[in-house]
Amino acid sequence: GAVVSQHPSWVICKSGTSVKIECRSLDFQATTMFWYRQFPKQSLMLMATSNEGSKATYEQGVEKDKFLINHASLTLSTLTVTSAHPEDSSFYICSVGDRGPQHFGDGTRLSIL
Amino acid sequence: QKEVEQDPGPLSVPEGAIVSLNCTYSNSAFQYFMWYRQYSRKGPELLMYTYSSGNKEDGRFTAQVDKSSKYISLFIRDSQPSDSATYLCAMSLGGGADGLTFGKGTHLIIQP
Repeated sequence: GAVVSQHPSWVICKSGTSVKIECRSLDFQATTMFWYRQFPKQSLMLMATSNEGSKATYEQGVEKDKFLINHASLTLSTLTVTSAHPEDSSFYICSVGDRGPQHFGDGTRLSIL
Repeated sequence: QKEVEQDPGPLSVPEGAIVSLNCTYSNSAFQYFMWYRQYSRKGPELLMYTYSSGNKEDGRFTAQVDKSSKYISLFIRDSQPSDSATYLCAMSLGGGADGLTFGKGTHLIIQP
């Protein structure tokens, strides 16, 4: 299956700052990547679908101006959490899966103080 | 009613036992069904991927899908302590091109 790398694995920052998370598909050219969020002891929730060369598709209730997604190449999608606040603290995970099952990165643990 | 229901456990069984994990769902349009294993602070790792109803076996793992009952299962034979993890069921309308809907995950503990 696809090998997915996510960076950084853990970030702590102050409230009000913006944080960028990178998701790379190392062995597969991905026209589609997905971003999920997981709160402690909760299931993964789909936030948005990242489409190479076009705008991302956001799930209902996810603020597109707060969670900026850029999928500029077939191997890289980025998620920027703008003006982060403590309630944005969570585990953010990306996946790749144009055909067949989705494969996930190891996630980014975001802590906003 | 949530779209996907999964007992969070914890489920504790002795080493060597057969483990049965399951999920129910409400959306009859789901066509693709997956089981992932997740260790603490890691991303989900794909275990099984099936389309529509039926059984699929891979090593010690067997996945079953019963679309008429909206019920899926994962069986683990000869369970090992290294199988201790959270098991997530997931499903989608259109395979890898669609976002997944996950269950909450079942925390499994295999006692040595």
